[in-house]
Amino acid sequence: DAGVIQSPRHEVTEMGQEVTLRCKPISGHDYLFWYRQTMMRGLELLIYFNNNVPIDDSGMPEDRFSAKMPNASFSTLKIQPSEPRDSAVYFCASSFRGGAGQPQHFGDGTRLSIL
Amino acid sequence: AQTVTQSQPEMSVQEAETVTLSCTYDTSENNYYLFWYKQPPSRQMILVIRQEAYKQQNATENRFSVNFQKAAKSFSLKISDSQLGDTAMYFCAFMKLLGNEKLTFGTGTRLTIIP
Repeated sequence: DAGVIQSPRHEVTEMGQEVTLRCKPISGHDYLFWYRQTMMRGLELLIYFNNNVPIDDSGMPEDRFSAKMPNASFSTLKIQPSEPRDSAVYFCASSFRGGAGQPQHFGDGTRLSIL
Repeated sequence: AQTVTQSQPEMSVQEAETVTLSCTYDTSENNYYLFWYKQPPSRQMILVIRQEAYKQQNATENRFSVNFQKAAKSFSLKISDSQLGDTAMYFCAFMKLLGNEKLTFGTGTRLTIIP
């Protein structure tokens, strides 16, 4: 079975540009999570969706960040305009709420570098 | 709010030896789930093991086992017969039983297996 698929794997762009990260969750999963990982702050939950609806976006750092889930098989995380401090690895994860405590399955991450 | 503490930033052990990684957590919940995730240099986040707090029996997965001490709020990971492929960052994580699917991660322990 295909796991969580993220694209691109690496992104290098200049400050001020718009960045779009993409995620395809595992088929049948009803939860989708976006995380950011940095050396200084570790793994931070940015936002998560249930059945395509955003449930908690309290981790989104500021208005420059936005996330959407137009359907059950696709989500995007957008940064506009990007800044050097946004450089990090961004992970998407999905899980199935068929029973409590189901583990989250992670994609391979997107390494984002803002110059 | 829940907190997860991993007090060992780095550890190293000889190949084939046994190593134990520590994790403590703080919560007012009575029922919850605990996880260990592994992040090798390839940066994938891989589920290692899962423990349900209402089960007294410690979870095991092949060479990986946990020592779950609910009263002490401790959840250590034991790796037996360590292999070079076990070299990775290891993250402990907490999830409430009900209410939401959020994971709270510790800061991680970098484990190096020495040939």
